Amino acid sequence: KAGVTQTPRYLIKTRGQQVTLSCSPISGHRSVSWYQQTPGQGLQFLFEYFSETQRNKGNFPGRFSGRQFSNSRSEMNVSTLELGDSALYLCASSHIPENTEAFFGQGTRLTVV
Amino acid sequence: AQKITQTQPGMFVQEKEAVTLDCTYDTSDPSYGLFWYKQPSSGEMIFLIYQGSYDQQNATEGRYSLNFQKARKSANLVISASQLGDSAMYFCAMRESYGAAGNKLTFGGGTRVLVKP
Repeated sequence: KAGVTQTPRYLIKTRGQQVTLSCSPISGHRSVSWYQQTPGQGLQFLFEYFSETQRNKGNFPGRFSGRQFSNSRSEMNVSTLELGDSALYLCASSHIPENTEAFFGQGTRLTVV
Repeated sequence: AQKITQTQPGMFVQEKEAVTLDCTYDTSDPSYGLFWYKQPSSGEMIFLIYQGSYDQQNATEGRYSLNFQKARKSANLVISASQLGDSAMYFCAMRESYGAAGNKLTFGGGTRVLVKP
């Protein structure tokens, strides 16, 4: 059974650009959550999607957005990139949102220069 | 207020010995879940163990066990017979459910474990 797949693994972008990250959950999982990890702020929740609907959102500016497709794959988009957006972005998938397991992908490491 | 506290930023452990990683949490939600993850230098978050707030027994998964003390709001991870491959960052996390508004994981600051041969 394939795990959570995040693409790309690494990205380098310039300030002001936008970026789209992808997450394919484990087959059959319908909940996808996104997290940002930085040395200064640690792991912070971005948003959660379930059945193509955003159910919960963290305290991030509107430049951070996401969506989920009918096959449960999810994308997150960051517009007008800032240097502070440099981070490891992790997504987690669950069979249902309240399940006892949440499996993470390997993450996308975004560097903004 | 910080909801998940890991007071040990880093620790050394001798190979083959057991190690306990501390985690305390704060919530007023009667239904919650506690997770432990391992993050090696590659960045991937590896699920280790889960404890539900209503579970009567402490969770165990191979060499990992969770010492759940609900009244004290602590969920310490015990790794028995440490191996060199256990060297990594370890995160404690709590899931609170918000019904139709979904749920999220809140993470502690992590504990870096280095296993010495």
